[in-house]
Amino acid sequence: KNQVEQSPQSLIILEGKNCTLQCNYTVSPFSNLRWYKQDTGRGPVSLTIMTFSENTKSNGRYTATLDADTKQSSLHITASQLSDSASYICVPGANTGGFKTIFGAGTRLFVKA
Amino acid sequence: DVKVTQSSRYLVKRTGEKVFLECVQDMDHENMFWYRQDPGLGLRLIYFSYDVKMKEKGDIPEGYSVSREKKERFSLILESASTNQTSMYLCASSFSAGMGTNEKLFFGSGTQLSVL
Repeated sequence: KNQVEQSPQSLIILEGKNCTLQCNYTVSPFSNLRWYKQDTGRGPVSLTIMTFSENTKSNGRYTATLDADTKQSSLHITASQLSDSASYICVPGANTGGFKTIFGAGTRLFVKA
Repeated sequence: DVKVTQSSRYLVKRTGEKVFLECVQDMDHENMFWYRQDPGLGLRLIYFSYDVKMKEKGDIPEGYSVSREKKERFSLILESASTNQTSMYLCASSFSAGMGTNEKLFFGSGTQLSVL
C-alpha cells in the first residue's frame, strides 16, 4: 500500500535557526518527489521536485534531499524567517501514468521571533 | 502567474442542501482537480478532469459529483450535504504534457465548508 509519513507533525523554532523536516514513503514504482509549502488559509505551492536519480535540489533557503534506496526525503530550511511559518507537504509520485498522487499529512512549522 | 480562483473562502450550509463549489483557472490547463483537506490527513482526491466534459473518480468520490462544461471551470457539487462533508476543499489545475505523474499542481486558496 502506498503511504507517506512526515515527521515531526509540528515544529517550533526561533527565527534565524535551521530545521529539517522528514518524509518517509512507500510508493512503487517511484518516479519523483515534490515538496509543497502551504501558508495558512492558502493552497499549497510547489517548492521543489526531484526525480529518482537526483539526490538534492535547492530553492533559495530550501534544500530538499532524496534517498530513493531508503525511500526517504528531507527538506532543510536555512536561516528561517517568520514567513517560513507554514505546512510543508511531501508528495512522492508513482510511475503509473495516472493522476492519483499521494499527499503526506504535512509538517506544521512555526517560526518565532 | 497561474491563477486558480475558488468562488468562496467560507461557506456554511445545512444538512441536505445542494452545494456548488466553483473553480476557475486562467492558464488554459487541461487538468483540473478537486481535493479535500482534513486535519491530520493528506489531501485526498475527490474527482479530476483531463478535458472538457471528461471526469474521473478520485479516491473519495462518494457524495460528490463534478461538472466541466468549459475548459477553465470545474465545479464540485454536493447533492445533499452531510456533516461529514465539513472540510477544506481545494481546487487545483495542471498543464498536461501527456499522462504524466506528480505534475506541478497550482492550487486555489480553498473553500472552508461547514455543514450544520
